[in-house]
Amino acid sequence: GAGVSQSPSNKVTEKGKDVELRCDPISGHTALYWYRQSLGQGLEFLIYFQGNSAPDKSGLPSDRFSAERTGGSVSTLTIQRTQQEDSAVYLCASSLGWGEGYILLHFGNGTRLTVT
Amino acid sequence: DQQVKQNSPSLSVQEGRISILNCDYTNSMFDYFLWYKKYPAEGPTFLISISSIKDKNEDGRFTVFLNKSAKHLSLHIVPSQPGDSAVYFCAASARGSNYKLTFGKGTLLTVNP
Repeated sequence: GAGVSQSPSNKVTEKGKDVELRCDPISGHTALYWYRQSLGQGLEFLIYFQGNSAPDKSGLPSDRFSAERTGGSVSTLTIQRTQQEDSAVYLCASSLGWGEGYILLHFGNGTRLTVT
Repeated sequence: DQQVKQNSPSLSVQEGRISILNCDYTNSMFDYFLWYKKYPAEGPTFLISISSIKDKNEDGRFTVFLNKSAKHLSLHIVPSQPGDSAVYFCAASARGSNYKLTFGKGTLLTVNP
């Protein structure tokens, strides 16, 4: 596929459990982002990866959140000990990472996380 | 502290008429602005952008206007079509941090046939 792929599309978990969300960016895109959209809110920046540089984790809301990107491609966002306020749609995006393509983000369809 | 504000959560217009979606920002360091469109259960898709060195950018039925002194931008859709019904997000990036987009909360546009 040519687009950003995210899995699962929906995830329901119990409070206190850990979850992993996966993102496959567009081939050739060096930059990868995670955003989340809580109910009634805009898109909130979480983390940014660019090539081999250290990721910008400044948007992660707590130390329960972590993300990694293996081989400069696939990324996994992990939320430990989930809380009800973590319920949101988690969106992954990728971009060319250079020139005007730097900030033309291409989004996946998101993972809707519900913590019960 | 919301740096990008879309004060109208929803807008309804008749097919064929003009849709005007508004966005205000507070950060004077923002120098690039984008509009994204989002359909239900899909990710946002890029629609149109504008650099702070311009005050207008046009692409087919879509035009974005930027008023830097007022820290305000608007998206005009003419003529509006039912397929334009979606949530529209305004986003901005700042000098020195141009990889990090700050988004508004979105405006739900409904175009009635």
